[in-house]
Amino acid sequence: DVVLTQSPLSLPVTLGQPASISCRSNQSLIYSDGNTFLNWVHQRPGHSPRRLIYKVSYRDSGVPDRFSGTGSGTDFTLKISRVEAEDIGMYYCMQGTHGGWTFGQGTKVEIK
Amino acid sequence: QVQLQESGPRLVKPSETLSLTCDVSGGAITNYYWAWIRQTAGKGLEWIGRISSRGTTNYSPSLKGRLSMSVDTSKNQFSLNLTSVTAADTAVYFCARAGYYYDTSGSFLYDTWGQGTLVSVSS
Repeated sequence: DVVLTQSPLSLPVTLGQPASISCRSNQSLIYSDGNTFLNWVHQRPGHSPRRLIYKVSYRDSGVPDRFSGTGSGTDFTLKISRVEAEDIGMYYCMQGTHGGWTFGQGTKVEIK
Repeated sequence: QVQLQESGPRLVKPSETLSLTCDVSGGAITNYYWAWIRQTAGKGLEWIGRISSRGTTNYSPSLKGRLSMSVDTSKNQFSLNLTSVTAADTAVYFCARAGYYYDTSGSFLYDTWGQGTLVSVSS
């Protein structure tokens, strides 16, 4: 089974400062066709998840450019260049390269 | 813009069957894949399975023996049935769009989610 491990699990941040979340897989997420099916979603309290990034680094329409995704193979990172108040909540990585999809445990971003 | 809405009983008795439907509006159901995901406080987000608009299914191995999904393209909806439920199946259940037959960009992979519905298993 593919296991995604996120760190940190809790991330207190200062408004206007950068933030970074790591997602590590126990297997390479490079598919046989060369694609890497690693998404990032954001979930605010009481809401459903919203996709921010797909295939490692492709930002969804309407997602601010302060969000960026990088990585390859087994190591991936979501970066927020300058945290804003609306960025609080849970962030999850999710992979679909191997069979069904699996999720990381989530990282809770909160304002200091 | 496509929107998804889950519906079904909010309370199910142990050993009975949990049944949910997801209505797809604002877009086509055909030529897409559709998925169910659940969220519990203890286990976080868990992928349940997916179905294509042609009825092809992929299920989570941990739920496979109790799970069935179906799609009704005439009603623009797809459904989930989970049998022999226990308290461990208490969760918020989400439906989501899980891909497009003719897309290789990945842009339709879990791009749209329903608001979720809390289903409790209790006598």
